[in-house]
Amino acid sequence: QVQLEESGGGVVQPGRSLRLSCVASGFTFGEYGMHWVRQAPGKGLEWVAVVSYDGTNKHYRDSVKGRFTISRDNSKNTLFLQMNSLRAEDTAVYYCAKEESFLWFGELLYHFDYWGQGALVTVSS
Amino acid sequence: DIQMAQSPSSLYASVGDRVTITCRPTQSIKNYLSWYQQKPGQGPKLLIYAATSLQSGVPSRFSGSGSGTDFTLTISSLQPEDFATYYCLQTYSTPYSFGQGTKLEIK
Repeated sequence: QVQLEESGGGVVQPGRSLRLSCVASGFTFGEYGMHWVRQAPGKGLEWVAVVSYDGTNKHYRDSVKGRFTISRDNSKNTLFLQMNSLRAEDTAVYYCAKEESFLWFGELLYHFDYWGQGALVTVSS
Repeated sequence: DIQMAQSPSSLYASVGDRVTITCRPTQSIKNYLSWYQQKPGQGPKLLIYAATSLQSGVPSRFSGSGSGTDFTLTISSLQPEDFATYYCLQTYSTPYSFGQGTKLEIK
């Protein structure tokens, strides 16, 4: 069965860095786009970034552009999120999610069919 | 950027009730809409994709409808395990965006 397991969360001071990992199993990792989604304490879900199946295409939300880098190692079935210059507002549970596509009248529609349990990142002095 | 207006933000209902949650994007997103259920301490679970398609293993009491700028998630007869928070997600264009969430609570 598909499993996604995040790690690397913790408490970090503002301005410092942290790297999250997400190890995938149960599917051919290198064939799917992967996403990071976060959830601040008591708040809703917020999309963060996506990387294509081969790592060549990446997109970010504006608030993390230039600070966060999404990457993947398909030989190790692992997704990463390098987070630099962390701010208090980056405090959240970070989820990795597997992308799936659905062909609809010639267009590919995307959704997230599997999610991890999340890793808590707390940015505080 | 596309914003997703989800309503209501909270909903009180009883077992057996029929409930409806709506999502309205600020521009047309065709059918690039999916729905998720989240329970406390867990990652979200996919319910509906491409606006109307039921994810494998999800009970048939869940259904989705709509396209363009008006979408609905319906639970036909609430079960105890359905009390959770629900989110819509648009994947028409980046940055992808979620609705604010609907917390479904027991009346």
